[in-house]
Amino acid sequence: DTEVTQTPKHLVMGMTNKKSLKCEQHMGHRAMYWYKQKAKKPPELMFVYSYEKLSINESVPSRFSPECPNSSLLNLHLHALQPEDSALYLCASSQGGLAGRTDTQYFGPGTRLTVL
Amino acid sequence: AQSVTQLDSQVPVFEEAPVELRCNYSSSVSVYLFWYVQYPNQGLQLLLKYLSGSTLVKGINGFEAEFNKSQTSFHLRKPSVHISDTAEYFCALDRPSGSRLTFGEGTQLTVNP
Repeated sequence: DTEVTQTPKHLVMGMTNKKSLKCEQHMGHRAMYWYKQKAKKPPELMFVYSYEKLSINESVPSRFSPECPNSSLLNLHLHALQPEDSALYLCASSQGGLAGRTDTQYFGPGTRLTVL
Repeated sequence: AQSVTQLDSQVPVFEEAPVELRCNYSSSVSVYLFWYVQYPNQGLQLLLKYLSGSTLVKGINGFEAEFNKSQTSFHLRKPSVHISDTAEYFCALDRPSGSRLTFGEGTQLTVNP
């Protein structure tokens, strides 16, 4: 089973709202990722967690706040977003870990976010 | 630095015709290569990957790709496409130390009846 689940599927929020995106995997993967994808563009990496620790932050604005409560769960907390933050937010996971060995990333279906 | 170039942004074909989606890469180190497919309003699904070994890689849904180190290419092929293959296709590479995918800009494959 290579399933990554994301909730909600769609989210509409105002610029003053606080909301959260959730991602879950039960494949025993130890690396989890958040990507942002604008229409007709490839995904852009935002954050990487490895063994529940933040290992990569691609200079993402602080209005996006990731959290990894346990090895199966990844959240993205949203606050004071701008309309240009409207996009598809994708979560991915991979086995993670060993240096010199690449991982295959498995993606979830995404959350379509609209900021009004 | 690594980069991926998908040579065609759009590829229209008729149903049951063969198709090739072209991908070239640039890297000063060995890389691993992937093709992902994204159907409308969905996430990315792994089609196939090349890590090592045989340069001809077979994936899901009848797709295959050939790794050509001398030409730094990883073209995706299917001998006979279906309407359901209409989607965006992304070529991506990763470094041996993994897991930071570099994506190409994508190729929209449209299969017409």
